[in-house]
Amino acid sequence: GENVEQHPSTLSVQEGDSAVIKCTYSDSASNYFPWYKQELGKGPQLIIDIRSNVGEKKDQRIAVTLNKTAKHFSLHITETQPEDSAVYFCAAVDQKVTFGTGTKLQVIP
Amino acid sequence: KAGVTQTPRYLIKTRGQQVTLSCSPISGHRSVSWYQQTPGQGLQFLFEYFSETQRNKGNFPGRFSGRQFSNSRSEMNVSTLELGDSALYLCASSLGTTDSPLHFGNGTRLTVT
Repeated sequence: GENVEQHPSTLSVQEGDSAVIKCTYSDSASNYFPWYKQELGKGPQLIIDIRSNVGEKKDQRIAVTLNKTAKHFSLHITETQPEDSAVYFCAAVDQKVTFGTGTKLQVIP
Repeated sequence: KAGVTQTPRYLIKTRGQQVTLSCSPISGHRSVSWYQQTPGQGLQFLFEYFSETQRNKGNFPGRFSGRQFSNSRSEMNVSTLELGDSALYLCASSLGTTDSPLHFGNGTRLTVT
């Protein structure tokens, strides 16, 4: 089955700096890669996604890149703000959704 | 549009008991999937229902079961509870295609004592 590795598990950045979270997947059949943000006491919420026919997608301060050959995809958050502090999950989707293990991002004011 | 609603928010049960959790999806969503979230194991897929049929299943024992009704509402049942079943159980609904994003509820926190 699919295996998704996510790094780092924790990340602390100063407000205004950039944050990068990286994921690798094993199943070349996976063709959809969403990212979710989970705040304390809430369920994960989709923040951005990318399909396998696209290499990069941007939405304001958030961007995702996909390298299908290397089976890597990354989340980039620029100009981080305290409200970006949360746990972030990547996922790879074929028939099922397989999540990475999560990255706890702390943005220090 | 109303979001995904899970009830109850919190449950405390004793080992050996059984429990039923409920999930109301977003209107128009025909797929409902369930996940177990624990600090050590992350988000683990339990099963997915689409139009009242189980479409996919994760690697959980048969004590974990679910069903979906004609209005797309779903229930999950855990029988013979074990201490290790303590977790946050999340339900997510979607349109049901491979590239449909999941919309999660806020979960049911189950504690087994």
